[in-house]
Amino acid sequence: DAKTTQPTSMDCAEGRAANLPCNHSTISGNEYVYWYRQIHSQGPQYIIHGLKNNETNEMASLIITEDRKSSTLILPHATLRDTAVYYCARPGYGQNFVFGPGTRLSVLP
Amino acid sequence: DAMVIQNPRYQVTQFGKPVTLSCSQTLNHNVMYWYQQKSSQAPKLLFHYYDKDFNNEADTPDNFQSRRPNTSFCFLDIRSPGLGDAAMYLCATSRASRSTDTQYFGPGTRLTVL
Repeated sequence: DAKTTQPTSMDCAEGRAANLPCNHSTISGNEYVYWYRQIHSQGPQYIIHGLKNNETNEMASLIITEDRKSSTLILPHATLRDTAVYYCARPGYGQNFVFGPGTRLSVLP
Repeated sequence: DAMVIQNPRYQVTQFGKPVTLSCSQTLNHNVMYWYQQKSSQAPKLLFHYYDKDFNNEADTPDNFQSRRPNTSFCFLDIRSPGLGDAAMYLCATSRASRSTDTQYFGPGTRLTVL
């Protein structure tokens, strides 16, 4: 989706926080932001989603800016197993789920 | 565990030879989706079923068809595969039609066209 942008790649040291940004400047007021990750040759795995407020679950935290034009996924203590492509996604029309281009996160020992 | 299952995980077919990929779910979700994912690209929605109602994306080629005989199963038929159809095909489900419902993905079927 050309309206959603993510960095192509990022590195993170093992044990440190990984902060993955996503710009979704055209998101409308009632559209949720979703985050998925995809480990090589597997299907996307749901991580977290949010609308306005910051969200946290056992996998990650999601920070959404007040104007909702961007969000940041935070993996608080990255491990080697967190190496994956991370997609932010938002609903399109109907039931369409539109994925951003994805960020390839490499967690380095 | 409730899950989305795709068979086979790897499929090889010949140029022009019809192929069918299958997806089943134990989540009892209303909506089932098929995505195509080419190398180093994000998944792209082909179509989805909301119960028995089929919804095709505008840019999905006619070469791609789908069937959903019951709640649990959904099939992707590629009538005449071309080399450009080589990709990972992902099935996903969600509980209801609202776009705020989380989609759960299967492991995917990687299709090779010779």
